[in-house]
Amino acid sequence: KAGVTQTPRYLIKTRGQQVTLSCSPISGHRSVSWYQQTPGQGLQFLFEYFSETQRNKGNFPGRFSGRQFSNSRSEMNVSTLELGDSALYLCASSVGLTGYNSPLHFGNGTRLTVT
Amino acid sequence: TQLLEQSPQFLSIQEGENLTVYCNSSSVFSSLQWYRQEPGEGPVLLVTVVTGGEVKKLKRLTFQFGDARKDSSLHITAAQPGDTGLYLCAGNAGNNRKLIWGLGTSLAVNP
Repeated sequence: KAGVTQTPRYLIKTRGQQVTLSCSPISGHRSVSWYQQTPGQGLQFLFEYFSETQRNKGNFPGRFSGRQFSNSRSEMNVSTLELGDSALYLCASSVGLTGYNSPLHFGNGTRLTVT
Repeated sequence: TQLLEQSPQFLSIQEGENLTVYCNSSSVFSSLQWYRQEPGEGPVLLVTVVTGGEVKKLKRLTFQFGDARKDSSLHITAAQPGDTGLYLCAGNAGNNRKLIWGLGTSLAVNP
């Protein structure tokens, strides 16, 4: 069974640009969650999508948005990039909504560098 | 604000040594998960603990959930270089389905 696939693995962008990251979940998983990981802040929850609907959202500005398609694939968009957006962006899929009975399966992330 | 504090933040030991890392909170969690993240990869789930006082073993790793479900520990016996990585704990408070994450313990096991 293929794992969670994130593309691209690495991105270098300039301040003010926008970026789209992609995530393909494990087959049969309907929930996709996005996280930002930095050394100082650890894993910060961005949002969770289930059946094409955003079900939960973290405390990030509106520049961060996402969507989920009918095949459960998800994309995350960051507009007007800032230096502080440099981070590892992780996508995780699960069978159901996040909870103890639906563990997360992570991809290997997209490393975004904003210059 | 719910927080999960992990300690120590960094740990560097020799192969064969034992170690314990901790995950503490003032909040009660319905469940707690432990993940290991290796460089260049995403976190991988090791275990989920649900019941207060529960102990789970995964080969040389022993996980314990506190009686009050506010804290957890991970003990590694005879550490191996392959145990090197970032150990993360994540608590599920229940209702809002958001996992609360600790900052992690970065473990280096030297041969």
